[in-house]
Amino acid sequence: GDSVTQMEGPVTLSEEAFLTINCTYTATGYPSLFWYVQYPGEGLQLLLKATKADDKGSNKGFEATYRKETTSFHLEKGSVQVSDSAVYFCALRSNFGNEKLTFGTGTRLTIIP
Amino acid sequence: EAGVAQSPRYKIIEKRQSVAFWCNPISGHATLYWYQQILGQGPKLLIQFQNNGVVDDSQLPKDRFSAERLKGVDSTLKIQPAKLEDSAVYLCASSLAPRGRYEQYFGPGTRLTVT
Repeated sequence: GDSVTQMEGPVTLSEEAFLTINCTYTATGYPSLFWYVQYPGEGLQLLLKATKADDKGSNKGFEATYRKETTSFHLEKGSVQVSDSAVYFCALRSNFGNEKLTFGTGTRLTIIP
Repeated sequence: EAGVAQSPRYKIIEKRQSVAFWCNPISGHATLYWYQQILGQGPKLLIQFQNNGVVDDSQLPKDRFSAERLKGVDSTLKIQPAKLEDSAVYLCASSLAPRGRYEQYFGPGTRLTVT
């Protein structure tokens, strides 16, 4: 079945550092890929998405590129801020059946000033 | 636009007791999802409704969990009787439609602790 493997956390970085959170997936066909963010006490929010190979999703300075050859969708940001502290989830949506979301285990990111 | 509403936000019960969670999706959203998020894991889909019909409940433990979406709007998820391993955050999400480019919008969740 479909699965998502995410970089284990927690990750602690200093403000303005470069961020990479790795994500790889296993799926049949060509799924859509997502990054969700969960701020403390809040629900999941869609951060960015990509629906086909080589697409780049971007939002709030975060980027991720759909790499079919490596089945990866790594999240990057050039200069993190304290406000980026949250839990980040990589997810895929199958293009078959009811197209449900399959999530990774999440990576907790803490940015220190 | 109001988001997905859930209540209660927190609930503590003893094992073998019953509990119910309520979700009000975004107005006009036909598809509603319940997820279970155990600490340290990603959300896992329990059940998906399209209007008031069930699309997928393959991962719902039907011996103790039940869900309904009367009139195709609000939904209730019930656990009876609860077990210790049911301690988790229960997330409700909704979308305009189940397929294609429609985004799922998540509520804040209900954190359940079973003692």
